[in-house]
Amino acid sequence: QSALTQPASLSGSPGQSITISCSGTTRDSHGYNYVSWYQQRPGKAPQLILYDVKSRPSGVSSRFSGSSSGDTASLTISGLQAEDEADYYCASYTSDNLFFGGGTKLIVL
Amino acid sequence: EVQLVESGGGLVRPGESVRLSCAASGFTFSNHYMHWVRQSPGKGLEWISFISNSGNQKSYVGSLKGRFTISRDNANNSLFLEINGLRGEDTGVYYCARRLLGPFGLDVWGQGTTVIVS
Repeated sequence: QSALTQPASLSGSPGQSITISCSGTTRDSHGYNYVSWYQQRPGKAPQLILYDVKSRPSGVSSRFSGSSSGDTASLTISGLQAEDEADYYCASYTSDNLFFGGGTKLIVL
Repeated sequence: EVQLVESGGGLVRPGESVRLSCAASGFTFSNHYMHWVRQSPGKGLEWISFISNSGNQKSYVGSLKGRFTISRDNANNSLFLEINGLRGEDTGVYYCARRLLGPFGLDVWGQGTTVIVS
């Protein structure tokens, strides 16, 4: 598996919903999909926002949701807010290796 | 407070070695798998390596095998990454990160330490 494919950038207006795709994810030998998503604001460390495709860590807004179909995972952000402007990375863990997507710059208009 | 603090970065010459450290606090370090991730200037995240909670299992990204060595000291709540034969393309911010117990996700990240190879 090589790096996952994400759109380089996306934009949306406050209140809208946007979806970031991540293609190239693979399942492990048991069919499990270890996809996680990270938000990174400028100059800051990444922050986990989703794991195991759609589970949210404590403290992460319910506006962030995830799904997966085939080899493509998706992150949806509903009710866009100015603070959501950041880079978003998907990651897929398989066979003791972790692969990141190239990142998507989300611009809130 | 759960925290990871990296150190050891700086300006290094090509061909030299560097040892990065990550000090953990606020959680039971010896329970968690730990990872190193780097980010070149203006680029995306690149996974480097992980080490199991006991230190018995390690894995590295294929392209970096041989020059990078991950290790840990559970008695002192510390994670390390040694990089040999530094190259310009190793320039970047190096993050240590904690893996969740059970599911896969890196839920705690340090602030990063910067390595500049020049």
